[in-house]
Amino acid sequence: GQNIDQPTEMTATEGAIVQINCTYQTSGFNGLFWYQQHAGEAPTFLSYNVLDGLEEKGRFSSFLSRSKGYSYLLLKELQMKDSASYLCANNYGQNFVFGPGTRLSVLP
Amino acid sequence: KAGVTQTPRYLIKTRGQQVTLSCSPISGHRSVSWYQQTPGQGLQFLFEYFSETQRNKGNFPGRFSGRQFSNSRSEMNVSTLELGDSALYLCASSLRSGRDTEAFFGQGTRLTVV
Repeated sequence: GQNIDQPTEMTATEGAIVQINCTYQTSGFNGLFWYQQHAGEAPTFLSYNVLDGLEEKGRFSSFLSRSKGYSYLLLKELQMKDSASYLCANNYGQNFVFGPGTRLSVLP
Repeated sequence: KAGVTQTPRYLIKTRGQQVTLSCSPISGHRSVSWYQQTPGQGLQFLFEYFSETQRNKGNFPGRFSGRQFSNSRSEMNVSTLELGDSALYLCASSLRSGRDTEAFFGQGTRLTVV
């Protein structure tokens, strides 16, 4: 199977840190992608992890544990514009399987 | 460099009709994938084309079909439309077909079936 799970919704305050978790089935794993999607817009690429550990890119960081089938996206110094859906996805062979997405609301 | 272009952006069709959506990938990209996005089901993979050949197909009925032309542009067709086909249809292009390849998405075509 290729089930990918994420929390449906999260709320955080401007300036805070939030961690969005993603779990997936490890069979056929080929790397874990994170995408951001603002309402009414196309998903945009945030990060790609294929090895265990933390990858930092500005205010956003992504972590992967292949043995646990677990990843998280860490957003620091939250801004109002970070309110969006965050999708984790695995590329199983030749197609992406996306999680249901986590809708993050950043409050002032 | 132009991004992925999808046309039309919005479309309203009647049940039973058929519809064709178009996707122009980023220049030089040879892989085009199609996805259906609905509030209830999220992003679901339809199919992928690479060098005019369908490489993989998701779990959608045969009413959903596609093709890719020699210039990598792709079209998706849905026949005998049903109300449940109302969704945002997203196209994504990649440089190649591969496991670690980042996909770039177009703005999508929002299809409403009435």
